[in-house]
Amino acid sequence: QMEMQESGPGLVKPSETLSLTCTVSRESVSSRSYHWGWIRQPPGRGPEWIATIYYTGNTYYNPSLKSRLAISMDTSKNQFSLRLNSVTAADTAVYYCARHPSILSPFDPWGQGILVIVSS
Amino acid sequence: QSALTQPPSASGSPGLSVTISCTGTSSDIGGYNYVAWYQQHPGKAPKLIIYEVSKRPSGVPDRISGSKSGNTASLTVSGLQAEDEADYYCSSYAGRNSVRVFGGGTKLTVL
Repeated sequence: QMEMQESGPGLVKPSETLSLTCTVSRESVSSRSYHWGWIRQPPGRGPEWIATIYYTGNTYYNPSLKSRLAISMDTSKNQFSLRLNSVTAADTAVYYCARHPSILSPFDPWGQGILVIVSS
Repeated sequence: QSALTQPPSASGSPGLSVTISCTGTSSDIGGYNYVAWYQQHPGKAPKLIIYEVSKRPSGVPDRISGSKSGNTASLTVSGLQAEDEADYYCSSYAGRNSVRVFGGGTKLTVL
């Protein structure tokens, strides 16, 4: 059974950069069968898609976040990562990494999530 | 504010049925048959229960069903059980720029 695990700081100061990594086990991020993405969920609210990456290097970004975002992949470590700069309190959320077969498909499964709080 | 609109709450008695709606636009739900539904229990990650409007992943009981009409998708949970009490989120493909949008969630209470 494939597993994904998010890692990164749980507390980030306003105006700084949020950096998260998703480590994938028992499935290759280089697989032609899957895209890999990030989703976040602010406390008490619905999820919000952030970004998606494919092994070819194709990337897709949420238009409302695109100017602050970068998603990347490290196939040697079987990981993909997210960087979100100039964070504010509005970026406080549980951040999930997840897999989807294509950009048409829903995310399944999701990692367990990591709570990131933006506060000084 | 979420892109898709769901009622904040729904409820039903054990054994009965409840339907949750999800309203979008012609740019998402109305434009594609790529609606999905997720179930989320407190402190857990969302779990996929419906994809492509009405298909169920392996292991999801057939008392859970999905449908779509125009810009509105619906999730029906029949034969309500205590374990169905959770938050439910709809999601839709929304084109290559927006990829996927989500609803704000509906809290289902089993009375």
